[in-house]
Parts: sequence; C-alpha cells; structure tokens
Amino acid sequence: AQKVTQAQTEISVVEKEDVTLDCVYETRDTTYYLFWYKQPPSGELVFLIRRNSFDEQNEISGRYSWNFQKSTSSFNFTITASQVVDSAVYFCALSEDGYGQNFVFGPGTRLSVLP
Amino acid sequence: EAQVTQNPRYLITVTGKKLTVTCSQNMNHEYMSWYRQDPGLGLRQIYYSMNVEVTDKGDVPEGYKVSRKEKRNFPLILESPSPNQTSLYFCASSSVRTASTNEKLFFGSGTQLSVL
Repeated sequence: AQKVTQAQTEISVVEKEDVTLDCVYETRDTTYYLFWYKQPPSGELVFLIRRNSFDEQNEISGRYSWNFQKSTSSFNFTITASQVVDSAVYFCALSEDGYGQNFVFGPGTRLSVLP
Repeated sequence: EAQVTQNPRYLITVTGKKLTVTCSQNMNHEYMSWYRQDPGLGLRQIYYSMNVEVTDKGDVPEGYKVSRKEKRNFPLILESPSPNQTSLYFCASSSVRTASTNEKLFFGSGTQLSVL
C-alpha cells in the first residue's frame, strides 16, 4: 500500500529564512508520481510540481526547489528567502498511475512565515 | 478557462437532510474524484470515476453516493448527513490518456460542509 508521511505538522519561520518541508513516501511500484500542492488560507489547492519516479533531477523554480531522492524515498521541498505569502498548508502526494486513481496525500505541513 | 467548478462553496445543514454537492469540469477529462479534508489527515479519497457510468469506492466511501451520467459532471450525494461528515470537500479531475505526460490533478475550489 502506498503512504505519504509529512512529519512536520507545523513550522514557523521569520521572513527571508530558508525552510525545508519534508516528505517521505512508500510504494511498491517502480513507476510512480510525486506532487506538491499548496493550500493558502483561502482554501483552494494550488499545484506546484509533479515529478516522475524515473526522473531524479532536482528542480528549481524561482525561490522553490525540490530534492527527489529515491534511495531515501524522499521528495523534500525548500523555499528560499521565505515570504509572508508563502504561509499556507503544503501537501505532498503520491500517485501510482499519474492521473489520480490512486492518489494519496500526506497530512500536510502548515507553514507560517512571520514578518 | 480550464476549470473544475464546485457548488456550493459553503453549506450548513442538519442531520438527516439529503444534500448534493455538484462538480463540473470543462476539460473533457475521463477521471473525476471526490476528496474530504480533515485536520491532521490530509485529503482522503471518497469516490472516483474513470469514465461515464464507471464509479468506484475510495478510502472513505461510507455515507456517500456519486453518479457519473455525463462526462463533465460528478455530483456527491449525502443521503442522510451526519455531524462526522462535517469537512472540507474537493472535487478533482484529470485526463487518463495523458497520464505519462506532465498531467496533474485539477481541483475545484472546495465546499465547506457543516452538519449540525
């Protein structure tokens, strides 16, 4: 069975600090897909990234970066120079089929960025 | 604009009064699903549908019904709501045929349901 663990329930940082959100996953499949979604206070879910299991390249998008390590089954998310607008709940998710049939979310990490 | 539309955004009801939360997508997606979000539990799948007239249970289907009579619509039905169904609900859709590409799960804006 697949499972996603986000051990950090809540994190508070001061603006401009770097912060890393951890995500550890479990799956028996050799092909799978990992996602990060952001849920701001307004409640909607905002797609951030999708990573395929056969692509271990790390990715950077502006202040966001993701570190995918199959050896440790982790897909960590780092925000550099955090801003107040980054305050949200962040969900890591795993899909074994890519389109959603077996889409499992982690419990989420609430990030508070203080001014 | 590609989107998943859920209605209503907020709903307060009483125990036992049947309700329906609507979900519609305009992307011709085959796959649609419903999730509920509860604190500390993340999002859990209630039901999903692979195509018209094809539905299946997710992880927490008890107390819910769905139907998929048309490709674009996937309503969530609570025949007899109970207080433990108070939650934030999300509808989602995606394309099955582009699973190997950079497809993602599109989410609606959410429906906050309170059952008194």
